[in-house]
Amino acid sequence: DTGVSQNPRHKITKRGQNVTFRCDPISEHNRLYWYRQTLGQGPEFLTYFQNEAQLEKSRLLSDRFSAERPKGSFSTLEIQRTEQGDSAMYLCASSLAINSYEQYFGPGTRLTVT
Amino acid sequence: AQKVTQAQTEISVVEKEDVTLDCVYETRDTTYYLFWYKQPPSGELVFLIRRNSFDEQNEISGRYSWNFQKSTSSFNFTITASQVVDSAVYFCALSGLNYGGATNKLIFGTGTLLAVQP
Repeated sequence: DTGVSQNPRHKITKRGQNVTFRCDPISEHNRLYWYRQTLGQGPEFLTYFQNEAQLEKSRLLSDRFSAERPKGSFSTLEIQRTEQGDSAMYLCASSLAINSYEQYFGPGTRLTVT
Repeated sequence: AQKVTQAQTEISVVEKEDVTLDCVYETRDTTYYLFWYKQPPSGELVFLIRRNSFDEQNEISGRYSWNFQKSTSSFNFTITASQVVDSAVYFCALSGLNYGGATNKLIFGTGTLLAVQP
């Protein structure tokens, strides 16, 4: 069983550009979470899906952020018109939806906005 | 509101010393889960342990042990005989439960950087 994978691992972009990240969860996991982690801080929740339904979004998720999980498998997180404050590690995690407690994290995508 | 506080920003110990990482949490939920995750320099968060709110039995697993005290809302983590490979950032996290028995979003503390010197 391969773990959670994320692509790309690193992304450098110029302010104002759009970026998209992909997360592939553990195959039988129907819940998928996105978190953001800035330097020296713990991960902060952004949003999560159960199958293809987006069940909760954090207030941190501005209108420039959109996440999708169209077929209930992989997910994408898009940031439009990036700002320097978007520079962070974006983490994806997955879990089962019933009687499941641990979330398993991917390696993250490090975004640098110049 | 849910909150996790890790007051220790950095801890430095010499190899073979015991070290305890502190975690204090706040929640209004009556049922919740507490977790410890490890983040080594490679960056990937590694799950270590979970504890539910109705099980205050402490646990020892190898060199790791956990002390959960609901009365003081604390969930402390101890490494016995620390090793250089234990050097990492350790995060305490809190989650509620939804219908179906799965955890919701994780609320993390700010982490404690543990440096184990040889």
